[in-house]
Amino acid sequence: EAGVAQSPRYKIIEKRQSVAFWCNPISGHATLYWYQQILGQGPKLLIQFQNNGVVDDSQLPKDRFSAERLKGVDSTLKIQPAKLEDSAVYLCASSSPGNWGTEAFFGQGTRLTVV
Amino acid sequence: GNSVTQMEGPVTLSEEAFLTINCTYTATGYPSLFWYVQYPGEGLQLLLKATKADDKGSNKGFEATYRKETTSFHLEKGSVQVSDSAVYFCALRKTGANNLFFGTGTRLTVIP
Repeated sequence: EAGVAQSPRYKIIEKRQSVAFWCNPISGHATLYWYQQILGQGPKLLIQFQNNGVVDDSQLPKDRFSAERLKGVDSTLKIQPAKLEDSAVYLCASSSPGNWGTEAFFGQGTRLTVV
Repeated sequence: GNSVTQMEGPVTLSEEAFLTINCTYTATGYPSLFWYVQYPGEGLQLLLKATKADDKGSNKGFEATYRKETTSFHLEKGSVQVSDSAVYFCALRKTGANNLFFGTGTRLTVIP
């Protein structure tokens, strides 16, 4: 079974530039998450999708971050414009919906450095 | 609110030593509890989980027991190996939800 795919693995941009990350979840997983992991901290949920609908985006800085999952499969997370404090690893995860205690499978992440 | 407090690291142990990484949580209701591991250069992987009080999760020689009375889910292993060197994250999922709340992570280094 193929895992969660993310690209790119690394990205370096200047502040005020824009950047986009891509995620392809495990086949058949309806739930997709984007997490932000700042160095020295645990991952923090940015947004959760169920198919192509948003379930929770309460922690997403909507003035600069956006995400979409138009066909309910792969997803894109965008930052525009980037700030220095956006430097982090962006993790994508997916899971099957509904079951109690269902495991979330994580991709390797995209490491973003904003200079 | 929901939160997870993890023992601060880094932790350095000799091979075959006993490992404990403390984790306590704050949550309403009856959350599910997890330990995730991140090996160097890899993504987060589920190590073990427990979904109700007094459940014991176990995998690869690691164990953790869901203690509701002390709101804890401490990770233990009787004899660590060099290959256990990684960052360990405690996490909870609140009742009726799918997203995870993570602790800050504990880096474990095992030396031969």
